[in-house]
Amino acid sequence: DAKTTQPPSMDCAEGRAANLPCNHSTISGNEYVYWYRQIHSQGPQYIIHGLKNNETNEMASLIITEDRKSSTLILPHATLRDTAVYYCIVRVGGSGYSTLTFGKGTMLLVSP
Amino acid sequence: DGGITQSPKYLFRKEGQNVTLSCEQNLNHDAMYWYRQDPGQGLRLIYYSQIVNDFQKGDIAEGYSVSREKKESFPLTVTSAQKNPTAFYLCASSITRGTQPQHFGDGTRLSIL
Repeated sequence: DAKTTQPPSMDCAEGRAANLPCNHSTISGNEYVYWYRQIHSQGPQYIIHGLKNNETNEMASLIITEDRKSSTLILPHATLRDTAVYYCIVRVGGSGYSTLTFGKGTMLLVSP
Repeated sequence: DGGITQSPKYLFRKEGQNVTLSCEQNLNHDAMYWYRQDPGQGLRLIYYSQIVNDFQKGDIAEGYSVSREKKESFPLTVTSAQKNPTAFYLCASSITRGTQPQHFGDGTRLSIL
């Protein structure tokens, strides 16, 4: 699976958009980009995933660059409850055993 | 609501003692996984199971054992052979082998007395 690079921490004001970047320059054509988050002392929570096109769901939007070497997770109106560690993971979808390699992620702190 | 239930939330182990962590899911998922998370670190795979009565070692299986007698249940035993068991243990499941996303429980925090 391709490795990812994320900033260790970011700050965001409550109500503003939080834009979390992820670099995955060695991504292969059949690898998806997944985002999970982990609130302190809880299990990781799936947020969104994509292959090439931008994706949006009720939690967030995922913007993937045309060359697929980087992506951005957007929380449009961050709340205090969005304070968590956000993990960007790249892996092949639908083949092999489905394990996830979590790096250290980005600690997002949302402040009032 | 469907989900994954891990118990207990906190567990203390004496030296030389085996302990078993429970993981139950009612999502009708075939695949289940156990991960270990150390402070400030990502997740590392201990064991995974693709189907009932089948399981495979992950990256750090030494000192751990599992069973998968029922689709809903995938207990993890931390044996006395695991020399550094203090960690946060997470159970996950997915519909079948190779599918995403994985759904996680809220974890068990194991500490040594």
